[in-house]
Amino acid sequence: AQKVTQAQTEISVVEKEDVTLDCVYETRDTTYYLFWYKQPPSGELVFLIRRNSFDEQNEISGRYSWNFQKSTSSFNFTITASQVVDSAVYFCALSDWRDDKIIFGKGTRLHILP
Amino acid sequence: DAGVTQSPTHLIKTRGQQVTLRCSPKSGHDTVSWYQQALGQGPQFIFQYYEEEERQRGNFPDRFSGHQFPNYSSELNVNALWLGDSALYLCASSHGTGNGNTIYFGEGSWLTVV
Repeated sequence: AQKVTQAQTEISVVEKEDVTLDCVYETRDTTYYLFWYKQPPSGELVFLIRRNSFDEQNEISGRYSWNFQKSTSSFNFTITASQVVDSAVYFCALSDWRDDKIIFGKGTRLHILP
Repeated sequence: DAGVTQSPTHLIKTRGQQVTLRCSPKSGHDTVSWYQQALGQGPQFIFQYYEEEERQRGNFPDRFSGHQFPNYSSELNVNALWLGDSALYLCASSHGTGNGNTIYFGEGSWLTVV
């Protein structure tokens, strides 16, 4: 069975600090896809990144970076120099190659304090 | 380019009533999925529609049903509402199915059952 675990329920950091959100996944498939979504208070899930299981190269997009390690089944997300606008709930998610059904973690609520 | 749009935004229903939620996919997308997000939880997959047929279904009772129209828009119907059906209902769209398509979400419909 597929499963995504986000052990950090809630994190608070002061603005400009770096913060890492942890994600551990379980799957028996060799081909799968990992995602991160951001959910502001409005409710909409905002797509941040998609990574397939064959691409372990880390990715950086502005202040955001992702560290994918198959050996530890982890797909961690780091925000550098955090800003108040980064405050939201962040979800890590997993899908397989057969369909687009996404399995979400329970999310990490991130508070960036001014 | 319009994203995924959902209606209504908020609604309140009484236990035992029926509700219909509507979704228009992102332009160019032909696949619609529905998710239920209870407070403090990650979204849970309800079902997916492609080519006007239900292609996949999550662990939800038959009280939850849906429909996809020729223009790819979709409806989610919930009969005999329970208090536990109170949640944010998210619609997601993509082009085709499988292969880790990027899924785009709407802002959701907040349903409160009293």
